[in-house]
Amino acid sequence: QVQLKESGPGLVQPSETLSLTCTVSGFSLTSYSVSWVRQPSGKGPEWMGRMWYDGDTAYNSALKSRLSISRDTSKNQVFLKMNSLQTDDTGTYYCTRELQWVFDYWGQGVMVTVSS
Amino acid sequence: DIQMTQSPASLSASLGETVSIECLASEGISNSLAWYQQKSGKSPQLLIYAASRLQDGVPSQFSGSGSGTRYSLKISGMQPEDEADYFCEQSYKFPLTFGSGTKLEIK
Repeated sequence: QVQLKESGPGLVQPSETLSLTCTVSGFSLTSYSVSWVRQPSGKGPEWMGRMWYDGDTAYNSALKSRLSISRDTSKNQVFLKMNSLQTDDTGTYYCTRELQWVFDYWGQGVMVTVSS
Repeated sequence: DIQMTQSPASLSASLGETVSIECLASEGISNSLAWYQQKSGKSPQLLIYAASRLQDGVPSQFSGSGSGTRYSLKISGMQPEDEADYFCEQSYKFPLTFGSGTKLEIK
């Protein structure tokens, strides 16, 4: 069955870089796009960016200068790197599978706190 | 960016009651609208896509409608398991954007 699982540090220092990994199973990264979506506690989600099935990327312009998404198809993994973290980057980070521009499967999420 | 204004922010409903949640887009989005349910401490789950198409496995008590800038999610017959946060999302233009959510509780 389709599964996505995020991994990475739960605590990041201000101004540091966040690195997250999404490991997928049950589908191919060369057939489906994967997006990263984050959600501050008690607020609506925010789409961050996408790794297209063909290897191209798309980013939310609000985060583009700080964000990088890459993948390793041999390991079924998609990576997120975001630099210059601040306290308002605190929240739950999800990777999601996309099907026709909607998010049909979500990972369990990883809670990231930006604090010294 | 397209702004998605969701209302109400919170809602209480009795068991068996029918409820509606609305999303207003800042410009026309041509039915490129999805609804998600998020139970406490869980990831969001897709309910409706293309404004009115029910995702596989989602109970038929959920339905979506709308056009242009106004869309709604209807839950026919509130059940205990429907207590959750609900979000809309537009996929008409980048960046994809979400509403701020509606918290639905049992009265």
